[in-house]
Amino acid sequence: DIQMTQSPSSLSASVGDRVTITCQASQDISNYLNWYQQKPGKAPKLLIYDASNLETGVPSRFSGSGSGTDFTFTISSLQPEDIATYYCQQYDNLPRLTFGGGTKVEIK
Amino acid sequence: EVQLVESGGGLVQPGGSLRLSCSASGFTFSSYAMHWVRQAPGKGLEYVSAISSNGGSTYYADSVKGRFTISRDNSKNTLYLQMSSLRAEDTAVYYCVKDRGVGIQLWTFDYWGQGTLVTVSS
Repeated sequence: DIQMTQSPSSLSASVGDRVTITCQASQDISNYLNWYQQKPGKAPKLLIYDASNLETGVPSRFSGSGSGTDFTFTISSLQPEDIATYYCQQYDNLPRLTFGGGTKVEIK
Repeated sequence: EVQLVESGGGLVQPGGSLRLSCSASGFTFSSYAMHWVRQAPGKGLEYVSAISSNGGSTYYADSVKGRFTISRDNSKNTLYLQMSSLRAEDTAVYYCVKDRGVGIQLWTFDYWGQGTLVTVSS
């Protein structure tokens, strides 16, 4: 299986800060990578698909980039409502798709 | 508005069986592949199973292969997950998930249900 290594596992930042999360695949997955947001007690929500495409209705402060094995997810200006755990997901190796371990984002 | 409502979760003994259902509305159910994803308490997301839009193709994670069966009834807009030989490590919230692709399976999950908790314990 393709391993997805997400880092950091948690972070604390101030409102307005730029936040960056990375996801590294154990092998080349092209751009077959998605990012999800999961708020406490809620189901995950799709934010970014195909590494860099913003899902409809998602605020533009969220963005994604990368291809191959290294990917980045960015919140350009952290807002209080962005408190959540973020997951990357690869879908190159089907049906053995896998999620990263998650990054918990908190407000400092 | 897309809605996915899971049901059927509960407490079951190791070795037991359970069938989860997911009632879908707000979209043309028969045009989309569907999936199950689970999350153990306090843990991350784990992919479980997928079924194509017409039910002709199914996929399973190695951890559930041979024990779980995914199916769908497009006339009832309902997705199912039959779980048998349940183990303690199957304890999780099970999410019913819609594929983003219409007429094509994209393995990208754009709508999730609220989840149903399955607890395997004696």
